[in-house]
Amino acid sequence: GESVGLHLPTLSVQEGDNSIINCAYSNSASDYFIWYKQESGKGPQFIIDIRSNMDKRQGQRVTVLLNKTVKHLSLQIAATQPGDSAVYFCAETNGGSQGNLIFGKGTKLSVKP
Amino acid sequence: DAGVIQSPRHEVTEMGQEVTLRCKPISGHDYLFWYRQTMMRGLELLIYFNNNVPIDDSGMPEDRFSAKMPNASFSTLKIQPSEPRDSAVYFCASSSFFEKLFFGSGTQLSVL
Repeated sequence: GESVGLHLPTLSVQEGDNSIINCAYSNSASDYFIWYKQESGKGPQFIIDIRSNMDKRQGQRVTVLLNKTVKHLSLQIAATQPGDSAVYFCAETNGGSQGNLIFGKGTKLSVKP
Repeated sequence: DAGVIQSPRHEVTEMGQEVTLRCKPISGHDYLFWYRQTMMRGLELLIYFNNNVPIDDSGMPEDRFSAKMPNASFSTLKIQPSEPRDSAVYFCASSSFFEKLFFGSGTQLSVL
C-alpha cells in the first residue's frame, strides 16, 4: 500500500505579520544550533546559527532565540513575505561531535498575500 | 562561487540497477556530507568526509551503499543493487570547519 508521509506542522501567516517557528531539541549537550530554510525542489539553505553560550542572535529580518533550560529554539521572521514560504528546519550538533548534525522534522510556513 | 553541484538532478532506474550520484563541493571546503531526505524520515546523514577521508559512515543503511571521495573536488554515492525503498532525494553538502553546511540542489532518485 501507499506509505503515509510525515505530517509536517504548518504555520500560516499573513504577509507583513511576524512569524515564530518553534523547535524542541533533544540533547542537553548540544552546543551549536542552526536554522535552515528549504524551498520546494531545492536543498536546505542556511539562515542563521547560534551557539549555546548565547540566548539570542539577530540577522536580517530573522532572530533566533535559545532557551537551554527547556531545550527550546525559535526562529522569528519579521514582516513575513511570500518568499519566506518554505519548510524550516532546526538542527543541533549532538554533543559537539563533528558530523552529528541532527535535523528536526521541519515546519512548513505558508504566507498568505 | 557556483555552490555545491550535484548530478544528475533526477534519476529513474529499475530495481537491481546500479545508481551513482555525483557531487562537487565548494572549493576550499574541508567537509563533505551525504544526506538522504524522505517524507517518513526527514533528513538523515549517511556519511561525511573530512579532507577526503570518510569519518563517519554509521548512517549508511546497508552494504548496498558506498561513498568515495577520490579528491577534494569530487565525491560519489553509489547504490548497488538499488531497491524501491531507496527512492528519496539525496543531498550533498560541504562546509569549512564542519559548521554552516551548504547544500546542493539534490538528486531525486526513483527506483521502480
